[in-house]
Amino acid sequence: KAGVTQTPRYLIKTRGQQVTLSCSPISGHRSVSWYQQTPGQGLQFLFEYFSETQRNKGNFPGRFSGRQFSNSRSEMNVSTLELGDSALYLCASSDDQERTEAFFGQGTRLTVV
Amino acid sequence: AQTVTQSQPEMSVQEAETVTLSCTYDTSESDYYLFWYKQPPSRQMILVIRQEAYKQQNATENRFSVNFQKAAKSFSLKISDSQLGDAAMYFCASNAYGNKLVFGAGTILRVKS
Repeated sequence: KAGVTQTPRYLIKTRGQQVTLSCSPISGHRSVSWYQQTPGQGLQFLFEYFSETQRNKGNFPGRFSGRQFSNSRSEMNVSTLELGDSALYLCASSDDQERTEAFFGQGTRLTVV
Repeated sequence: AQTVTQSQPEMSVQEAETVTLSCTYDTSESDYYLFWYKQPPSRQMILVIRQEAYKQQNATENRFSVNFQKAAKSFSLKISDSQLGDAAMYFCASNAYGNKLVFGAGTILRVKS
């Protein structure tokens, strides 16, 4: 099975712009979660999508949004970028069961200048 | 709310020796899972070991084992016969709601040859 694929791997954006990150989960997995990793805040949960519906949400402002398509691929969007949004964004996929192993992608490194 | 605490920012071990990484957690849930993830310089998060809270027996995966003390809410990771490839950041995580993982701050493990 192919692993979790995140694109792009690296991204540089200007403050005020918006960005869309993509995640393709492992085939057959319907749960996709997104995490933000920064040196200061560590790993923080953004949201989880399951069967095209948001199932869980973390404590992030509304500028962070996501969606999931019928093929389970997910996108994460950040609008009005701020310097503090610079981070590694990790996507994880899980099978239909709750609280099972999460398989992570290699992440997208976003730099906001 | 769930919290996960890793009190060791950095640990060192000699190759072939044994090292224990500490983790404590807090949750009001009775049904939850605990995980140790490894993040090497490539940034890919890799599951090391998983423990279901309802199981009393400590999980073991080859050279990796845990000491799960449910009453004390402690979940330490023991790495035996340490290898250079074990050098990485190790994260303890818990999962009580859906597939939302709550991570500790991480412990950097350095392996000396």
